[in-house]
Amino acid sequence: RKEVEQDPGPFNVPEGATVAFNCTYSNSASQSFFWYRQDCRKEPKLLMSVYSSGNEDGRFTAQLNRASQYISLLIRDSKLSDSATYLCVVTLLNRDDKIIFGKGTRLHILP
Amino acid sequence: DAGVIQSPRHEVTEMGQEVTLRCKPISGHDYLFWYRQTMMRGLELLIYFNNNVPIDDSGMPEDRFSAKMPNASFSTLKIQPSEPRDSAVYFCASRASRGENTGELFFGEGSRLTVL
Repeated sequence: RKEVEQDPGPFNVPEGATVAFNCTYSNSASQSFFWYRQDCRKEPKLLMSVYSSGNEDGRFTAQLNRASQYISLLIRDSKLSDSATYLCVVTLLNRDDKIIFGKGTRLHILP
Repeated sequence: DAGVIQSPRHEVTEMGQEVTLRCKPISGHDYLFWYRQTMMRGLELLIYFNNNVPIDDSGMPEDRFSAKMPNASFSTLKIQPSEPRDSAVYFCASRASRGENTGELFFGEGSRLTVL
């Protein structure tokens, strides 16, 4: 089983819709969780951290379910500029801070 | 502040040639990571350093790949000899273990390698 798994997509979503991504991780010792965004032919950049209690940043909501070992990202009122690849990231702090990326989910927002 | 700086941005070489990719992390960051990204395999961790010491190189594909970090401000990833299957975008990233946002990785713009 891969350490971090994501649905590769692509998700083709009309502008204004709500879209949700899930990500599962295999190592129960995983400590920290993040969502990164990567635009075409660019480097990944941090979108938001994922906290145990769930957290929100504008139109973006991230949630963590430790019991089921999955992380979610919800984007409300999607914009054309949200089109990108969204990468789920897990940090194994008991393994010398190893940081593992999922392969990413591609999102296309349609006008 | 300058971000992570990588060079070259693009390199096209022939099979069998030596390739050296360079990275300058953000000043003060004590972790440095090398990743490789392809469409098929996504973003793969090759090796990472803490305070210039290699911590985990289990992602390095084979002996043709080597990485060094002679000081806190410079790292190299070398492929010798290169093969067409090494074609990918190679990213360097750094992060701090202390201070604000210690979980955030800062990436360079990547080095796009094509081996013919």
